[in-house]
Amino acid sequence: SQTIHQWPATLVQPVGSPLSLECTVEGTSNPNLYWYRQAAGRGLQLLFYSVGIGQISSEVPQNLSASRPQDRQFILSSKKLLLSDSGFYLCAWTGRTYEQYFGPGTRLTVT
Amino acid sequence: AQSVTQPDIHITVSEGASLELRCNYSYGATPYLFWYVQSPGQGLQLLLKYFSGDTLVQGIKGFEAEFKRSQSSFNLRKPSVHWSDAAEYFCAVGAGGGGNKLTFGTGTQLKVEL
Repeated sequence: SQTIHQWPATLVQPVGSPLSLECTVEGTSNPNLYWYRQAAGRGLQLLFYSVGIGQISSEVPQNLSASRPQDRQFILSSKKLLLSDSGFYLCAWTGRTYEQYFGPGTRLTVT
Repeated sequence: AQSVTQPDIHITVSEGASLELRCNYSYGATPYLFWYVQSPGQGLQLLLKYFSGDTLVQGIKGFEAEFKRSQSSFNLRKPSVHWSDAAEYFCAVGAGGGGNKLTFGTGTQLKVEL
C-alpha cells in the first residue's frame, strides 16, 4: 500500500532563516505531487504541483520554491522566511486519477 | 475556472442526530467530486468520491453523498453522528487541466454535542 511521509512534524524558525520541508511517497511510482498551505481558520491553498522529476508548476507568487529531485520526493524551500509563511503545510500525491492522498502535515511557526 | 462553496462555516449537532453538510460547485461539465475530513493537527482523509454513475455514493465511517447535477450540489450526509465525527470537512472538485488539481472549499467545522 502507499504511504506518504512529511518531516519535520513541527518547526519554529526565525524570520529571515531558510526553510526545507520534505515529502516522500512509498508504494507508487511517477505520482503527481502537491504542496498546500493551510493558514489558521482557512482552507487549502495549492502552492506547487509536480507531474514528474524536475517538473514544478507554481500556483501563486510567493517567497517559497519547490523541487522534485527524485520520483517520490518533493521538497518545499525558502531562502528567507517571512512571518506570513507561518501555517500548516500539507503534501499530497495522486496517481492517474484525481483523488489526492495527504501526508500528516508540518506545522511551521515563523517568529 | 471551477469553484466550490461550502456555505456553512460552523455546524453543531447533537450526538445521534442526522447530519447534512452542504457543498455547491461551479463547473460546466460533470466534475469529479470529493469529501475530505481533517482532525485537528492532522492531514486530510478521503471520505468519498464521485466520478460518474450512481449519484449516491457511499464512503467510509458511515458517510454518504449525493450528486445533484440540477442543483450543482454534492452534499454530505450521515444518519447518526458520533462524537468522534467532530472535525473539519472539506468538499473538493477536480475539473480538468494539467496536473489533476483539486479546488477545495473553505471547509465546515463540525461540533458534536454530547
